[in-house]
Amino acid sequence: GAVVSQHPSRVICKSGTSVKIECRSLDFQATTMFWYRQFPKQSLMLMATSNEGSKATYEQGVEKDKFLINHASLTLSTLTVTSAHPEDSSFYICSASPNTDTQYFGPGTRLTVL
Amino acid sequence: SQQGEEDPQALSIQEGENATMNCSYKTSINNLQWYRQNSGRGLVHLILIRSNEREKHSGRLRVTLDTSKKSSSLLITASRAADTASYFCATDGDTGGFKTIFGAGTRLFVKA
Repeated sequence: GAVVSQHPSRVICKSGTSVKIECRSLDFQATTMFWYRQFPKQSLMLMATSNEGSKATYEQGVEKDKFLINHASLTLSTLTVTSAHPEDSSFYICSASPNTDTQYFGPGTRLTVL
Repeated sequence: SQQGEEDPQALSIQEGENATMNCSYKTSINNLQWYRQNSGRGLVHLILIRSNEREKHSGRLRVTLDTSKKSSSLLITASRAADTASYFCATDGDTGGFKTIFGAGTRLFVKA
C-alpha cells in the first residue's frame, strides 16, 4: 500500500529555534498534502492544505508566517515551525493524496519545545 | 470548528463484545471516513462511505450513514484487545474542496 513517511519522528528544541518537518510520499505522487496538529487526547486539527508548486492554503487561525509550508515536489512537503515556543509543542501529522478520494497519513512527528 | 463529533468520548468493553461509536456532522458531505489511531501514532484509514451509500462492511467493521440525520456509526464486532485505540470520523466538509475535517474521536478500551 501507499506509504507516507515523516522525518523526524521526534524532535526536542529550545524555545526560539526553528524546526523543519518533512513529509514524503514514498511510492506515489501526491498533488496535495495536508498538515495537521494534534494535542494530547484531542482530535486532529487541519492546519493547511499544500499543493505542489503553489502556496499553501492555511486554515483560519493558523499563522502562515509561523508555520511555513513548502511543497516543492510531488513527493515532498515540509513544515517549518519558526521561532518555536512551548505552546507549539504538539504532534504534527501530514497526509498525502494521490487523488481526491484518498489520503495516506504519515506516522507523525512529536515536537517538544523547551 | 470541527465538523464531526463522536459519541461516546470514551468506551470500555470486554473482549468479544461489540463496540458502537457514533459520529454526527453539521454540513452536507460527499463522503465520510473512519480512522483509527493508536496512542501517539499515525492514523490508519478504516473505511470510506459515500453520501449515496447507507451501509458498508469491511471484515469486523460495519459503518452506517444517515445523511438525513447527518450521522454515522461504526460497529466493531467481536472486539479484541488489539482494537484498543482512538477512532475518528472525518468528513470532507462543505467547502467543495478536498480536505478532511476530523471529529473529536472516541477512545475505545477493550479489556482482555
